[in-house]
Amino acid sequence: QSALTQPASVSGSPGQSITISCTGTSSDVGGYNYVSWYQQHPGKAPKLMIYDVSNRPSGVSNRFSGSKSGNTASLTISGLQAEDEADYYCSSYTSSSTLLFGGGTKLTVL
Amino acid sequence: EVQLVQSGAEVKKPGESLKISCKGSGYSFTSYWIGWVRQMPGKGLEWMGIIYPGDSDTRYSPSFQGQVTISADKSISTAYLQWSSLKASDTAMYYCARHSGTWATILIEWGQGTLVTVSS
Repeated sequence: QSALTQPASVSGSPGQSITISCTGTSSDVGGYNYVSWYQQHPGKAPKLMIYDVSNRPSGVSNRFSGSKSGNTASLTISGLQAEDEADYYCSSYTSSSTLLFGGGTKLTVL
Repeated sequence: EVQLVQSGAEVKKPGESLKISCKGSGYSFTSYWIGWVRQMPGKGLEWMGIIYPGDSDTRYSPSFQGQVTISADKSISTAYLQWSSLKASDTAMYYCARHSGTWATILIEWGQGTLVTVSS
């Protein structure tokens, strides 16, 4: 199984919005509404930010939102803040009853 | 409060065996899938597999099937990740995570990670 495809890096200025894409196939992202997004700061464990494409866990800022179209899911962060600088990973359920992560995207807040 | 507490860092030689642990608390350990994620140095996350402690049903990523063994002891609310013969390429941070959702697709809480270093 190859990792889901994410851009290696994205950047934005404080207050701006950015979008990170996550592209798979009809056997994973496109076939199920089971896409999640995780935030990982350096040296820390990942943290769940979005689940089931567009749902936010309790305690996660509403500046984070998720969507999906076809085989591509997206994470949008609005009103960028310095604390958002981190690595972001998508994951999807697959037709093999397993989970697959994306390669990760490094977000830089300029 | 849900907590997943992992065992400490390990330094091993190639060919040695190893079993690392993840103890869950604050929830019904037998009612949720719990699994393992690998992160090699400077690299991304890789889902390895999961176990349902209630009945020991286990699923593995094709990439890790046959390479590791996932197990659990529900009497002490602890999940394990085991290698029979380590390789240098097993050097990585390993996270356990409680899975939730209809098909265990959401890694809702994570342990702090266990760093495994394999070097001669």
